[in-house]
Amino acid sequence: GAGVSQSPSNKVTEKGKDVELRCDPISGHTALYWYRQSLGQGLEFLIYFQGNSAPDKSGLPSDRFSAERTGGSVSTLTIQRTQQEDSAVYLCASSLGGGTTEAFFGQGTRLTVV
Amino acid sequence: AQSVAQPEDQVNVAEGNPLTVKCTYSVSGNPYLFWYVQYPNRGLQFLLKYITGDNLVKGSYGFEAEFNKSQTSFHLKKPSALVSDSALYFCAVRDPNTNAGKSTFGDGTTLTVKP
Repeated sequence: GAGVSQSPSNKVTEKGKDVELRCDPISGHTALYWYRQSLGQGLEFLIYFQGNSAPDKSGLPSDRFSAERTGGSVSTLTIQRTQQEDSAVYLCASSLGGGTTEAFFGQGTRLTVV
Repeated sequence: AQSVAQPEDQVNVAEGNPLTVKCTYSVSGNPYLFWYVQYPNRGLQFLLKYITGDNLVKGSYGFEAEFNKSQTSFHLKKPSALVSDSALYFCAVRDPNTNAGKSTFGDGTTLTVKP
């Protein structure tokens, strides 16, 4: 596929459980971003990877959130001990890198914590 | 710090009329500005961007936007709206001097075009 792929598309989990969200960026894109979109809200920046540089983690809301990007490609966002306020759509995007390039977004993972 | 504001949560226009979706920004230097659209049950799609040069930029689906440095604005416009333009629109800004890759998004504006 030519686009950004995210899995799963939907995830329902019990409060306190850990979840992993996966993102496959467009091949050749060096930059990868995670955002969170809550109902009726804008996009909240979570984390940004650019090539081999240290990621910008400034948007992660707590130490329960972490992300990694293996081999400069696939990324996994992990939420430990999920809380109800973590319920949102988690969006992944990738770009060719550099500040002038636009981002290509995946369809998102809708996370519901019950 | 970079920030962006979309002052209108909702914009309603009649089909065939011109539309404007407003965006203002704040950065320390010259901004990189983007518009994205989110159709129902679909992911965000890139519409257009301003990096440098001509203040009027044209993008997908007949949309255009004008960069106005003195007013720190980047309003999205279309001369004749279509019902199919109904969607959620996001403005985004990057400050190339401080955050080369990180974009800050506005809260979004819901555009409804009525037949």
